[in-house]
Amino acid sequence: NAGVTQTPKFQVLKTGQSMTLQCAQDMNHNSMYWYRQDPGMGLRLIYYSASEGTTDKGEVPNGYNVSRLNKREFSLRLESAAPSQTSVYFCASRQQWGYTFGSGTRLTVV
Amino acid sequence: GQQLNQSPQSMFIQEGEDVSMNCTSSSIFNTWLWYKQEPGEGPVLLIALYKAGELTSNGRLTAQFGITRKDSFLNISASIPSDVGIYFCAGGGSQGNLIFGKGTKLSVKP
Repeated sequence: NAGVTQTPKFQVLKTGQSMTLQCAQDMNHNSMYWYRQDPGMGLRLIYYSASEGTTDKGEVPNGYNVSRLNKREFSLRLESAAPSQTSVYFCASRQQWGYTFGSGTRLTVV
Repeated sequence: GQQLNQSPQSMFIQEGEDVSMNCTSSSIFNTWLWYKQEPGEGPVLLIALYKAGELTSNGRLTAQFGITRKDSFLNISASIPSDVGIYFCAGGGSQGNLIFGKGTKLSVKP
């Protein structure tokens, strides 16, 4: 099925560990996004990539880095995980105003 | 930064009742979108609005783009149990990024 694929679905990290969340889309969209979702906070933009080769900070970029590897793939890296980064992370891609979201990665940092 | 105020935060209704929720902002948006999120999944687009004053329906759902471009509402008529989920409004600015409301959690009693 066409769409946005995120891996892993679940992850538990210890404080200070690093990891990369993977995202790939097969819709040939130019723009890709990483959001985090916390209870009562809605979705907050971490980083986005308007096109291959470009990345920009969103509302809450601190503690994260991103890589737009190619048109299909946009990864999110936590270099030194902190408990405050416990959240559900969603990747999305966009064509005009048609945002398509992945099913999320539930990350717990202990 | 831009913020959306979405209300109500949660609703508990009886099957068959109509539902109304809205979003307001101090900022002007070019586009309003409404999403639904079910447990364990990413948000899915329900309705997109592109012009001030626009009224658009999708089955039992109706949404309007406010004349001032600072607000939008979503109505669901004759609710059914599968309407359960979290509904998000999102405003689209000139750069193509979305700002999300904090969501309205809808519970439907059969």
